[in-house]
Amino acid sequence: DQQVKQNSPSLSVQEGRISILNCDYTNSMFDYFLWYKKYPAEGPTFLISISSIKDKNEDGRFTVFLNKSAKHLSLHIVPSQPGDSAVYFCAASGDDKIIFGKGTRLHILP
Amino acid sequence: ETGVTQTPRHLVMGMTNKKSLKCEQHLGHNAMYWYKQSAKKPLELMFVYSLEERVENNSVPSRFSPECPNSSHLFLHLHTLQPEDSALYLCASSQAPRGGSSYNSPLHFGNGTRLTVT
Repeated sequence: DQQVKQNSPSLSVQEGRISILNCDYTNSMFDYFLWYKKYPAEGPTFLISISSIKDKNEDGRFTVFLNKSAKHLSLHIVPSQPGDSAVYFCAASGDDKIIFGKGTRLHILP
Repeated sequence: ETGVTQTPRHLVMGMTNKKSLKCEQHLGHNAMYWYKQSAKKPLELMFVYSLEERVENNSVPSRFSPECPNSSHLFLHLHTLQPEDSALYLCASSQAPRGGSSYNSPLHFGNGTRLTVT
């Protein structure tokens, strides 16, 4: 049973537009959420995180929103750039564990 | 050299071989991890060493054996693997807060070892 789900395996967005990546979780004990980005042949790199005491965290072009009642978080990238093409993983931690989603492959179209 | 480095980048081994994966972190972190990434599956946590204490995932087969001689080095010893163990093995480190969960700190990953078991 997947505790962290990224239901879109892939997403294509026009350069300059907003990219929205979604993530759902099932365990109400999760209290810290992270997004990672992965290029081919490289390890994942940390992008942005949010604690459950907040509902929004912003860092430059990246904003993460958390809806605790819906157990849903999303990553917004605006404006999208060609270098944003990568696989994005969400992760949820708490209850003495961390669980990753399967990832969403983002393609930024010229 | 900075960050987290893993060697080798690629490894092909037979089912009767014994090999080791090596990881070194240059970030001064106090927690290190082994993850497995199989095709179309989420990243799976295998082992954690936090503040020199090993936290084990009970679902990891005994043919995988971790070793953490100090806070900067982590090994994964492999023996009598199966073809289904072929995957990308990622090492990571983080700075775990004293008294807090190591899982609430961002992970810094190496570039992984692509393992193929024939």
